[in-house]
Amino acid sequence: DSGVTQTPKHLITATGQRVTLRCSPRSGDLSVYWYQQSLDQGLQFLIQYYNGEERAKGNILERFSAQQFPDLHSELNLSSLELGDSALYFCASSVASGVGGYTFGSGTRLTVV
Amino acid sequence: DQQVKQNSPSLSVQEGRISILNCDYTNSMFDYFLWYKKYPAEGPTFLISISSIKDKNEDGRFTVFLNKSAKHLSLHIVPSQPGDSAVYFCAASAPGTYKYIFGTGTRLKVLA
Repeated sequence: DSGVTQTPKHLITATGQRVTLRCSPRSGDLSVYWYQQSLDQGLQFLIQYYNGEERAKGNILERFSAQQFPDLHSELNLSSLELGDSALYFCASSVASGVGGYTFGSGTRLTVV
Repeated sequence: DQQVKQNSPSLSVQEGRISILNCDYTNSMFDYFLWYKKYPAEGPTFLISISSIKDKNEDGRFTVFLNKSAKHLSLHIVPSQPGDSAVYFCAASAPGTYKYIFGTGTRLKVLA
């Protein structure tokens, strides 16, 4: 157990639907990062939050949004889902800037049918 | 544009031999590099890191080498063990960017 908790582990939904992925960071970590891993792809950075505020943004689609709450958990919202959104979504956390690396959760596997 | 590239999707090595995983990057601003290991159905786990002020960092059986002029880093595993079979990702970060750019991964298979 890495200390980073992601729920749900698996999610199957239809095209056009909206889902929310949840992440609880490791205790004491203020930064949360979201990454997407599609088939045979590397980990694509989506977005980072630090202590409730957005700090960095990557290749995140406009249909996707995220937030970090006062208790530091984070949610990634995916809407108007398409087949190509099927992927593993990882959350990671770090104390602050993440210079020394992140701790990853075990991921949420999203399947859009 | 893939700033961090792992050109070998897979690698097979005999148990006890050396495994060498390679990673190339294009952004000369990157100053910190990580290697992660990922088993199926698990999240990536941190393995070893190196700062651009060094050219080598060692941790047990794992050594990372950095060649800044070639924009190349490599991970050496000696001796390789069957439990090392996993997907290995390299990642790089530039100062002030607050994010790591990951490569596409290399699947290592260590044969008993």
